[in-house]
Amino acid sequence: DGGITQSPKYLFRKEGQNVTLSCEQNLNHDAMYWYRQDPGQGLRLIYYSQIVNDFQKGDIAEGYSVSREKKESFPLTVTSAQKNPTAFYLCASSAKVGSTEAFFGQGTRLTVV
Amino acid sequence: EDKVVQSPLSLVVHEGDTVTLNCSYEVTNFRSLLWYKQEKKAPTFLFMLTSSGIEKKSGRLGSILDKKELSSILNITATQTGDSAIYLCAVDGSSNTGKLIFGQGTTLQVKP
Repeated sequence: DGGITQSPKYLFRKEGQNVTLSCEQNLNHDAMYWYRQDPGQGLRLIYYSQIVNDFQKGDIAEGYSVSREKKESFPLTVTSAQKNPTAFYLCASSAKVGSTEAFFGQGTRLTVV
Repeated sequence: EDKVVQSPLSLVVHEGDTVTLNCSYEVTNFRSLLWYKQEKKAPTFLFMLTSSGIEKKSGRLGSILDKKELSSILNITATQTGDSAIYLCAVDGSSNTGKLIFGQGTTLQVKP
């Protein structure tokens, strides 16, 4: 079945560690996005990519990094520079630039221990 | 700065009630407004609205956009416990990037 797969579902990070969240889609979508969700704050955009080998910062990019080496994959690295990384992370994709119906993965819950 | 505001932030009703959720926005280049339902994990798409005054309906759910008032409402009639979820409103105010600006969400709890 077509869709977006995020892994892992749960992730624990120690202080000072970098961790990478995976996002894979087999929908042949051009655009992919990473959002962070905190209670009472809705979804905030971290990074987005409109095409392979290109990505732009969203509203809260500090402490995060991404890559888009393949159309299907858009991994997010949460670096040690992100001071408050505990949150629910959602990856999304849309068919093309300007197509605004986004499809979401099941999310990764990251906790700092 | 572009922003989307939803109200109320949370709501508790009983089965059979009708609820109205609100979404207001301030964006530079409005293209569309979307409603999503988030039950546990992934938000699922409900509606996309681009034109004022035209109601979109799906079963007991309906939504309408008012571009003059820069707002949208989502109505749910004859609510059921399965309607309990976070309802997210998002606006595409981008220049063709597909970036969505999300509101805080409304948490709806429907009691039996």
